[in-house]
Amino acid sequence: EAGVVQSPRYKIIEKKQPVAFWCNPISGHNTLYWYLQNLGQGPELLIRYENEEAVDDSQLPKDRFSAERLKGVDSTLKIQPAELGDSAVYLCASSLGGTVQETQYFGPGTRLLVL
Amino acid sequence: ELKVEQNPLFLSMQEEKNYTIYCNYSTTSDRLYWYRQDPGKSLESLFVLLSNGAVKQEGRLMASLDTKARLSTLHITAAVHDLSATYFCAVEYAGGTSYGKLTFGQGTILTVHP
Repeated sequence: EAGVVQSPRYKIIEKKQPVAFWCNPISGHNTLYWYLQNLGQGPELLIRYENEEAVDDSQLPKDRFSAERLKGVDSTLKIQPAELGDSAVYLCASSLGGTVQETQYFGPGTRLLVL
Repeated sequence: ELKVEQNPLFLSMQEEKNYTIYCNYSTTSDRLYWYRQDPGKSLESLFVLLSNGAVKQEGRLMASLDTKARLSTLHITAAVHDLSATYFCAVEYAGGTSYGKLTFGQGTILTVHP
């Protein structure tokens, strides 16, 4: 069974440029999460989707970050414009979701470097 | 606000020795997870602990949960080099809009050497 797929794996951009990350969750998983992991720290939740609905985006900096999951499967996380402090690893995770609390499975992450 | 603290943050172990990583959290939790992360890799789920007194073991790793003390431990028995990684505990609180939200500890960087 394929795991959570993310692309790109690495991205280097200059500050003020836009950037987008893509995630394909495990087949059948209704819940999708985007996390931010700074160097030497644990992941922090940015946004959680139940199917196509963002049910918790309280930690998403909405002035520059946006996310979508239009058909309830793949998701895209965008930053525009990127700042130096956005350099981090962006992790996508998925779980079965619904009324069942299930283990979250993480993708390999996208490592972003903003110059 | 839920806070999760791990200690130690850095652990250098000799092979064949035993040691314990501690995870304290600040509020009532529904689930506690242990994850492993290798350098440059993603997080791999190790254990899910659901109730007070829960104990799970896999190979040289054993995790336990004491919900009254708000404490989980990850015990390493007879460490081997392959266990070198960063270990995270994560607490899930299912109240209100925080349903399914994981709050992670800072991570414990484990290095096992001969």
